[in-house]
Amino acid sequence: EVVLTQSPGTLSLSPGERATISCRASQTVTSPYLAWYQQKPGQAPRLLIYGASIRATGIPDRFSGSGSGTDFTLTIDRLEAEDVAVYYCQQYGYSPPTYSFGQGTKLEIK
Amino acid sequence: QVQLQQSGPGLVKPSQTLSLTCVISGDSVSTHSGTWNWIRQSPSRGLEWLGRTYYRSIWYNDYAVSVKGRITITPDTSKNQLSLQLNSVTPEDTAVYYCVRGFWIGGTPTLDYWGLGTLVTVSS
Repeated sequence: EVVLTQSPGTLSLSPGERATISCRASQTVTSPYLAWYQQKPGQAPRLLIYGASIRATGIPDRFSGSGSGTDFTLTIDRLEAEDVAVYYCQQYGYSPPTYSFGQGTKLEIK
Repeated sequence: QVQLQQSGPGLVKPSQTLSLTCVISGDSVSTHSGTWNWIRQSPSRGLEWLGRTYYRSIWYNDYAVSVKGRITITPDTSKNQLSLQLNSVTPEDTAVYYCVRGFWIGGTPTLDYWGLGTLVTVSS
C-alpha cells in the first residue's frame, strides 16, 4: 500500500503570500491518480486538483498542482482568509482498488 | 448537481452493527460512469476509504483490507440509495462517515461529491 506523507504539518502565512504543500509517496504514483482536497472547518473535503495538475470545476487559478513520481506539490498563490483549511493529497491504487490519503496540512492565515 | 443525503444513528454500542444510508439525487446509483463510496475520518486514523459499490452490467463491491469481513455496502435501485453496514464495532470505529461519489474524468479517478458526513460514536 502506498503511504503519502505531507509536509509541513502546519503552515502559517499572511494574506497575499504563497503556500507550498508537499506530498511524498512511498512508491511511484501514476500522475493521473494523484488528487488534492480542501477541508474547511466543519465541512466535508472538496476536490481541488485531480490528475496531479488539473483544477476541478469552479476552483480558482490561484490553486495549482504539480509533480510526478513520488513528489507532488500543491501551490496556493495570493493567499486569502477563505483559504484557511486542511489540505489533503490522495492517491488511487487500482490493484487492489483503494484510495489512500495523506495526513493533512493545516493552513493558517495570520 | 449531485446531492448525497446521509442518515443513521449517531450512537452505536460496542459489538453491534453500524448502519448508515445515503440517498442520491442528481445521479443514479446504477450509473455506468461512477462509483459509490464510504469514507470515514477520525483524529487517530485520518481519512480512510472503506469501500465502494458500482454497476457495470452487474454489481461489484470493493472493500478496504482494514474492514474486510465486517463491512457490507448495498445498493438499492428502487430508492436510489446505498447503505453501509459495519459489524462488530469497537470504539476504534468512532468517526465521521462520508458517502462519496467516485467519478472518472478523462481516465482520471476523482472523489467529486461528498455527503455532509455523519458522526458515529461507538460507546456503551
